[in-house]
Amino acid sequence: GENVEQHPSTLSVQEGDSAVIKCTYSDSASNYFPWYKQELGKRPQLIIDIRSNVGEKKDQRIAVTLNKTAKHFSLHITETQPEDSAVYFCAAGGGFKTIFGAGTRLFVKA
Amino acid sequence: GAVVSQHPSRVICKSGTSVKIECRSLDFQATTMFWYRQFPKQSLMLMATSNEGSKATYEQGVEKDKFLINHASLTLSTLTVTSAHPEDSSFYICSARLSKGIGNQPQHFGDGTRLSIL
Repeated sequence: GENVEQHPSTLSVQEGDSAVIKCTYSDSASNYFPWYKQELGKRPQLIIDIRSNVGEKKDQRIAVTLNKTAKHFSLHITETQPEDSAVYFCAAGGGFKTIFGAGTRLFVKA
Repeated sequence: GAVVSQHPSRVICKSGTSVKIECRSLDFQATTMFWYRQFPKQSLMLMATSNEGSKATYEQGVEKDKFLINHASLTLSTLTVTSAHPEDSSFYICSARLSKGIGNQPQHFGDGTRLSIL
């Protein structure tokens, strides 16, 4: 069945460094790739998304890249800040369902 | 825009009680809503997809008689955990999406309901 793999499961970086989270998907029909940030005990919030007709998208310190051929997409956070600490989920959609990755717990050390 | 309200935020009740959780889209019409369960430090596990005016579609392994879903209007879906037991204790989150049957729109999540069964 459809599957989204996300790596790493835990990521610890120093404040100011960059963080990269990678995902792969299995369903070739996927054409929409959102990223969510979830702080402890709170709702997942959409932070950025990318569609299959675009290879890269940037919003301030956050960027996403998509390689449709390899079925890879990545989240890049630059100049990380302590408030970036949270769990990040990638997801792939295009059919009826959106499949979520297992999540990456990001720690940004001050 | 795209606000999803979920109530209650926390429920503590005795074993055997049935618990109803409401999910409302406040400023848009949601033809499709999703119910997820999330265990500590784990991902979102899709339980079921509810479409307005039709029966919910349950994921494999989710008991439809245990988790009753009703999507009576374009702005409201409810999840009822019937005869809840301690193993049903979890964080339940709903989400809503605007367009029916199309996966390329973002889901907007509620705040979640932390259910604790004693």
